[in-house]
Amino acid sequence: QVQLQESGPGLVKSSETLSLTCTVSGVSIIRTNFYWGWVRQSPEKGLEWIGTIYYSGTTYYNPSLKSRLSMSVDTSKNQFSLKLTSVTAADAAVYYCVRPRISAYGGGGFDPWGQGNLVTVSS
Amino acid sequence: QSVLTQPPSVSGAPGQRVTISCTGTSSNIGAGYDVHWYQQLPGTAPKFLIYDNSNRPSGVPDRFSGSKSGTSASLAITGLQAEDEADYYCQSYDSRLGGSVFGGGTKLTVL
Repeated sequence: QVQLQESGPGLVKSSETLSLTCTVSGVSIIRTNFYWGWVRQSPEKGLEWIGTIYYSGTTYYNPSLKSRLSMSVDTSKNQFSLKLTSVTAADAAVYYCVRPRISAYGGGGFDPWGQGNLVTVSS
Repeated sequence: QSVLTQPPSVSGAPGQRVTISCTGTSSNIGAGYDVHWYQQLPGTAPKFLIYDNSNRPSGVPDRFSGSKSGTSASLAITGLQAEDEADYYCQSYDSRLGGSVFGGGTKLTVL
């Protein structure tokens, strides 16, 4: 079955760039009609959809994060990644990689989820 | 303030039935977009529980059921068990915001 595993630093300095990678196992990331995405969770904001990417590179971003967000795919490594620039304390959260089941925007729900990567933002 | 509104907490005794509501607006649930539910046990990632309002993924006990009407959806859990103690979240799509939105979560306590 599909399994997702996040990796990346747990601490990012304020105003710098947060970078995370998700490694996909159990299926090829280039499988047709499979999207790949990110959701974050913080005590302040709860669960928040960040964005989704298709293996072709087509992206779908949360409008509230779009100006600071970029996502990419590395098909050779079966991985996809997230970069969020100019981070602030408001970006501190557990970041999960997820698979949107039906549509890029989460139609059909998100399943499965990675175990999560806690990111702290320091000043 | 989450886009979808859930009660912060519910509780019930073992064997009882509880329901968790998820209230939206005309740009999400009321617009006809499907609702999905997740269970999050302490210290773990959310687990997919109900999709498309009332469907259970393989492996989810039939004690869990979902429904939707108008601008709201509900998750019902019957025959409460101690292992059901968790946080529960609803999720849908919002056309005004242009993406998926979640409820603030409901903490279920099994007395």
